[in-house]
Order: sequence, then structure tokens, then C-alpha cells
Amino acid sequence: SQTIHQWPATLVQPVGSPLSLECTVEGTSNPNLYWYRQAAGRGLQLLFYSVGIGQISSEVPQNLSASRPQDRQFILSSKKLLLSDSGFYLCAFSPGGYGYTFGSGTRLTVV
Amino acid sequence: AQKVTQAQTEISVVEKEDVTLDCVYETRDTTYYLFWYKQPPSGELVFLIRRNSFDEQNEISGRYSWNFQKSTSSFNFTITASQVVDSAVYFCALSPEYGNKLVFGAGTILRVKS
Repeated sequence: SQTIHQWPATLVQPVGSPLSLECTVEGTSNPNLYWYRQAAGRGLQLLFYSVGIGQISSEVPQNLSASRPQDRQFILSSKKLLLSDSGFYLCAFSPGGYGYTFGSGTRLTVV
Repeated sequence: AQKVTQAQTEISVVEKEDVTLDCVYETRDTTYYLFWYKQPPSGELVFLIRRNSFDEQNEISGRYSWNFQKSTSSFNFTITASQVVDSAVYFCALSPEYGNKLVFGAGTILRVKS
């Protein structure tokens, strides 16, 4: 079966510290991968998506970056976190377009 | 560009009432996919339904039903005999093509009181 794993579940980081969130997918190959962010009390904003290894598209200019070093691994990073980076981050995959499956999310608080 | 509008920010109902969540979308594509997701307080997104643009049949799944009308670009979601466990944020979303970007509406907070 196809599953998605995302960690950590919660994270508290000081302003200016680096960030690395990891997402891995199992049971499928060459999926489309996505990073979404949900600010408190708001909707989901697409940050990055990837259609293949090393292929990253950014939807909004920001302090974050994404990488896809392996087919089923998607990483969200920042060199220096800002207070405005706080939010709920969700990774998702789409195995050929037949729906989207989301990870359990990471709640990031930048203090 | 694709856009999804959920005009209802928050709805409160009493248990056993029926409730309809509205969703209006904009797209220039002839082929597209519409979704509904539920986000309980724990935060994960739970898939409820996917509908493609060529299938205008309404669908019923237990207490849930969906009304898709291309003429009005709407994809509304009705919960019959609501329960407290239905309390969550509900998102409508649009995907222009297979596996392409999923665009979300702002979400509707549903509170069901006992």
C-alpha cells in the first residue's frame, strides 16, 4: 500500500536557526510531491512541488527551499528561520494523479 | 488561473441538523478534478471525495452527499443528520490535471454542538 511519512510532528525553533523537514513515500514510484503550509486559522498554500528527482518548482517567494534527492524523498529547508515561518507544514504525494495523500503534518513554532 | 472560493468561514449547527458547505471554483480547463477534504483538530487532511469534470452525477456516501453543477461552477457538500464528530475544517480543492497542483479554498469551520 502507498503511505507517506512526515517528521517531526512538532518543532520549536529559535529565530535564525536552520530547518529541515523530511517527507518520504512508500509503495509508489515517481510520484509528484508537494509541500503545503497552513498558517494559523487560514487555508493551505502550496509552497513547492516536484515531478521528479532534482526538479523543484516554487510557488511563492519565501525564506524556504525544497529538495528531492531521491525519488521518494522530499525535504523542506531553511538556512535562517523567521517568525513568519511558523505554521503547519504538510507534505503530500500524488501517484499519477489519482488523488492526493497527505502526511500527518509538522507544527512549526518559531520563537 | 484556478481559484476556489468557500464563502462560509464558519458554520455552527446543532446535532442532527443538516448542513451544506458551499464551494465555487474558477478554471479555464475543460478537464479538472474537484476534491473535498476534512481536517479534524489533530490536523491531518482526510480525503472525502474526488470528482472529475466529466462526471456530474451527484454522489451519496452514508450521511455525506455532494452536488456538482458545472453550470454554476459549484461543488457543494451536504452532511445529513450532523454529529459532533463532524466538527472540523472542511476544504474544497481543485486540480487542473492529473497529479498537478491542488488549489485549496480557504476552508469552512464546522462546529456541531450536542
